[in-house]
Amino acid sequence: DAGVIQSPRHEVTEMGQEVTLRCKPISGHDYLFWYRQTMMRGLELLIYFNNNVPIDDSGMPEDRFSAKMPNASFSTLKIQPSEPRDSAVYFCASRNRGAYNEQFFGPGTRLTVL
Amino acid sequence: KQEVTQIPAALSVPEGENLVLNCSFTDSAIYNLQWFRQDPGKGLTSLLLIQSSQREQTSGRLNASLDKSSGRSTLYIAASQPGDSATYLCAVVRETSGSRLTFGEGTQLTVNP
Repeated sequence: DAGVIQSPRHEVTEMGQEVTLRCKPISGHDYLFWYRQTMMRGLELLIYFNNNVPIDDSGMPEDRFSAKMPNASFSTLKIQPSEPRDSAVYFCASRNRGAYNEQFFGPGTRLTVL
Repeated sequence: KQEVTQIPAALSVPEGENLVLNCSFTDSAIYNLQWFRQDPGKGLTSLLLIQSSQREQTSGRLNASLDKSSGRSTLYIAASQPGDSATYLCAVVRETSGSRLTFGEGTQLTVNP
């Protein structure tokens, strides 16, 4: 299996622009998670889905952030409009329902908002 | 609110040394605990997962223990190698938090040849 796939790996944009991050979970995994990692706050859960349905979005910082999972093999995290404080590494992770919550992470997208 | 603390924040050891990384959590009502490794600029690699009913898990030179009642876990690395240099993170899932992982800030390990 190719593991969790994220794109792009690096994104540089200007303040005010829309940013879309993409994730393909491991095939057969029915949970998908979006995390953000910064030096100041460490790793934080933003939102997670079960069977394509958002379960917990309490970590989404503002209305500027939105996430969708239109099918079992694809999810997006969108920031509109982006701000410099959104600069971080965004990770996607997935897990199998029967795997005691062992989560497998993608390589991350490093976002820089100028 | 669950808080996870890792000590030390950074550790530098000579090759071949056995070492222990510490993780503590404030709420002992956890479902499981997971140790990860993160290399610079890379994602997280799952190393070991311990269920709340277990006391330890082993994988190769790694051994993770869990004392749920005292809110502590340790990751023991035997015969350390330069390739073990990375940041090690522990994360817990509370019994009532569904699938939410709460992470510690990590221990940055450097193994010197």
